[in-house]
Amino acid sequence: EVQLVESGGGLVQPGGSLRLSCAASGFTFSSYSMNWVRQAPGKGLEWVSYISSTSSTLYYADSVKGRFTISRDNAKNSLYLQMNSLRAEDTALYYCTRATWDYWGQGTLVTVSS
Amino acid sequence: DVVMTQSPLSLPVTLGQPASISCRSSQSLVHSDGNTYLNWFQQRPGQSPRRLIYKVSNRDSGVPDRFSGSGSGTDFTLKISRVEAEDVGVYYCMQGTHWPPFTFGPGTKVDIK
Repeated sequence: EVQLVESGGGLVQPGGSLRLSCAASGFTFSSYSMNWVRQAPGKGLEWVSYISSTSSTLYYADSVKGRFTISRDNAKNSLYLQMNSLRAEDTALYYCTRATWDYWGQGTLVTVSS
Repeated sequence: DVVMTQSPLSLPVTLGQPASISCRSSQSLVHSDGNTYLNWFQQRPGQSPRRLIYKVSNRDSGVPDRFSGSGSGTDFTLKISRVEAEDVGVYYCMQGTHWPPFTFGPGTKVDIK
């Protein structure tokens, strides 16, 4: 059974940092590109970042470019999102998804507030 | 960037009746490989999004056949032939043809009258 389990969310002050993780199981993680998608409270879905299976290709939404870094460790079946210089508008539920869009995690909540 | 629009944004429906959601893109979603990468997602209250339809009209495994997708170019439709209580939620279209970025529609909230 494919599972994606996010962790690492929490309350952080503006300007702070947080690292999200996504643990993958039930499929050959190293064969799949992955995405991070976020959803602000009561709002719609926003794509955040993409990483290819070998980490050779990375893409970011303009809203997070220069502040967020996506990475992965295929040996650990894990996806990461390093978030720096956090802003109030980054407050959201963050989901990891396979780049085929067929499986999503349950999300981890990031709250940026003083 | 491709802008995705949906209508209506709110859709009260009667149980057992049909429902239809429109999705439009700011440019054609036909990829150079001939495919059209338009997905539909359902997000039930308190749950993660779930893909229902991929490449315009292909239903995902386990998705009831009352859900169907159609369309081409810039105009797409998700239809529910007979709405059931479990269909309540928000429905999003998403394009995967011209990326980055991947872009979602604003969502259509379906609830029961």
